[in-house]
Amino acid sequence: DVKVTQSSRYLVKRTGEKVFLECVQDMDHENMFWYRQDPGLGLRLIYFSYDVKMKEKGDIPEGYSVSREKKERFSLILESASTNQTSMYLCASCRTASYNEQFFGPGTRLTVL
Amino acid sequence: ELKVEQNPLFLSMQEGKNYTIYCNYSTTSDRLYWYRQDPGKSLESLFVLLSNGAVKQEGRLMASLDTKARLSTLHITAAVHDLSATYFCAVDDRTSNYQLIWGAGTKLIIKP
Repeated sequence: DVKVTQSSRYLVKRTGEKVFLECVQDMDHENMFWYRQDPGLGLRLIYFSYDVKMKEKGDIPEGYSVSREKKERFSLILESASTNQTSMYLCASCRTASYNEQFFGPGTRLTVL
Repeated sequence: ELKVEQNPLFLSMQEGKNYTIYCNYSTTSDRLYWYRQDPGKSLESLFVLLSNGAVKQEGRLMASLDTKARLSTLHITAAVHDLSATYFCAVDDRTSNYQLIWGAGTKLIIKP
C-alpha cells in the first residue's frame, strides 16, 4: 500500500512564525502536491512538484513556498504565518502525471493565532 | 477552463435506499477519480475511471463514466450508515500539467 505521511496532525503557531510542514511518501512517486481544505471552499492546490527540485504554482501559492530536495519528501513552508492560513493542509502523491490517482496523507490541521 | 460540478452537494437518505451522485465536467477528459472523506480525516481513493464506458464496483458503490456526456455517476445501492461521508470527484486537466480539478464534494448522511 502507498503510504503518505505528514509530520504533524495538529499544529498551533503564532502570527509571523515560520512554519514547516513535511510530507514523505514511500512508493517512489514522481509527483507530489500540497492542498489546503477549508469549509465551503473545497480542495485548493497550493503547489505541486513533478520531479526533484522542480515545482509549479497551483491556484493559491501566495504566502507559501515549497522544497523538494529528495524524491520522497515535499515540504511546504509558510514564511510568515498569518491567521488566514489557518486550515487543513493535505499532502498527496501520484505515480506519474499520466496516471493521476493521488494518495493523500492524514492531513495537518494548522491553527495560526 | 475545466470545471467540475457535483450534485447534489448535500444528501440525507435512509438506510436501504438507492441513490446517485452526479459529476459533470466542462471539457474533454477521459480520466475521472472518486474519493471518500470521513469527517476530520483525509481523502481515500475509491475509483479510477480511465475510459469511456468504464464501470467500477466496490460493495454497495458503483461508479461509471460517460466521456461523451462528460458525466460520471456514483451509485449507492441499499445504503448503510457506514457509507456516510463526503464524496469528491476529480478530473484530469491535460491543459494544466495534469492537475486534478476537484468537484465541491457531496456530503452524504445515511440515517438508520
